[in-house]
Amino acid sequence: AQTVTQSQPEMSVQEAETVTLSCTYDTSESDYYLFWYKQPPSRQMILVIRQEAYKQQNATENRFSVNFQKAAKSFSLKISDSQLGDAAMYFCAYQPGNEKLTFGTGTRLTIIP
Amino acid sequence: EAGVAQSPRYKIIEKRQSVAFWCNPISGHATLYWYQQILGQGPKLLIQFQNNGVVDDSQLPKDRFSAERLKGVDSTLKIQPAKLEDSAVYLCASSLIGAQPQHFGDGTRLSIL
Repeated sequence: AQTVTQSQPEMSVQEAETVTLSCTYDTSESDYYLFWYKQPPSRQMILVIRQEAYKQQNATENRFSVNFQKAAKSFSLKISDSQLGDAAMYFCAYQPGNEKLTFGTGTRLTIIP
Repeated sequence: EAGVAQSPRYKIIEKRQSVAFWCNPISGHATLYWYQQILGQGPKLLIQFQNNGVVDDSQLPKDRFSAERLKGVDSTLKIQPAKLEDSAVYLCASSLIGAQPQHFGDGTRLSIL
């Protein structure tokens, strides 16, 4: 069974600083997708960034970037220039092909003004 | 474009009562998902529809949960009878096809007394 592990239940960072959230996953598949979703108190899951396993280049979206290490099955999220609006639960998720999305347990990110 | 719409936003019922949730996906999205998110955990897939057919319902407790997607657009998820352990946020998501990023609604928070 595929599993997604987020080993940091909580993280905090000073506003304008950089923070990295960790995620590891277990799979025997070679073709899959990885995602980071943000869930603010409003409960809506918002897609932050997406990585396709066959692409070696790390995905970036403005202040958000990933460090994708396929051999190590690691997929960390780096948030640069942290802003108060970045405070939320962050979930790492894995999806092999067209199969179901499997989420980690989440990391609660607090931004310190 | 309009996002995934869900209602109600909150629901409080007593155990053994029944409850229904409604979801309207993004226009044109063929795939619709229902997730259960228990407090402190990541979302868990309950059921996946492709148009009006079920793709995956392996984690749906079929003795009490049912879902339908008539005409391949709107969907309803029903619980009858509810148990205390059903207290959770129920999220609906949709995507163009299975492997594309899923777009989530705001969810329904269900409390069982």
